[in-house]
Amino acid sequence: QKEVEQDPGPLSVPEGAIVSLNCTYSNSAFQYFMWYRQYSRKGPELLMYTYSSGNKEDGRFTAQVDKSSKYISLFIRDSQPSDSATYLCAISPSGGYNKLIFGAGTRLAVHP
Amino acid sequence: GAVVSQHPSWVICKSGTSVKIECRSLDFQATTMFWYRQFPKQSLMLMATSNEGSKATYEQGVEKDKFLINHASLTLSTLTVTSAHPEDSSFYICSVQFTGTNTEAFFGQGTRLTVV
Repeated sequence: QKEVEQDPGPLSVPEGAIVSLNCTYSNSAFQYFMWYRQYSRKGPELLMYTYSSGNKEDGRFTAQVDKSSKYISLFIRDSQPSDSATYLCAISPSGGYNKLIFGAGTRLAVHP
Repeated sequence: GAVVSQHPSWVICKSGTSVKIECRSLDFQATTMFWYRQFPKQSLMLMATSNEGSKATYEQGVEKDKFLINHASLTLSTLTVTSAHPEDSSFYICSVQFTGTNTEAFFGQGTRLTVV
């Protein structure tokens, strides 16, 4: 079983739609949860960072963590064509210099 | 602005030659940097953890003699792909993480290596 599972998609939605991206993980010791956006042939950029369970909102993006279910989500409201990218979830067991474990990434296409 | 600078952004080399990729932490001192490899339509796979002033820690299955890592200063880590072969063609990305209140990682722009 992979430590982090993420549906690779692709996911195609119309502009303005609400997008839901999800990951599941296997180890309950993981405490830090991140979402990265990666455009083609570029390095990933951090979108959202959360610690422990709960929600975190930043503009059109909301990150949700449910540690009891080992399930993390990223919601994108009012999606735009510029949101078209690959979204990677990443988890870490603790803070500091710890390696991140990435999901496979979900390719999202938002069409006008 | 960019926190991590990676160079070159792309390189084509002949099979059997070596290629060096640089990763610089801008404005911050980084005792630890990470090197990832990403094949097309796949996720990032950690290759090794680069430690300033000491040997790198390699992930299982990564050949340390083939992927040489040098972290000679607090702002620079280099990855050298030695005796490159076509199967080494990939997207190589470095990252820097900082301690503090979170474990946020910053990534370089990546290097696309094509071995012909």
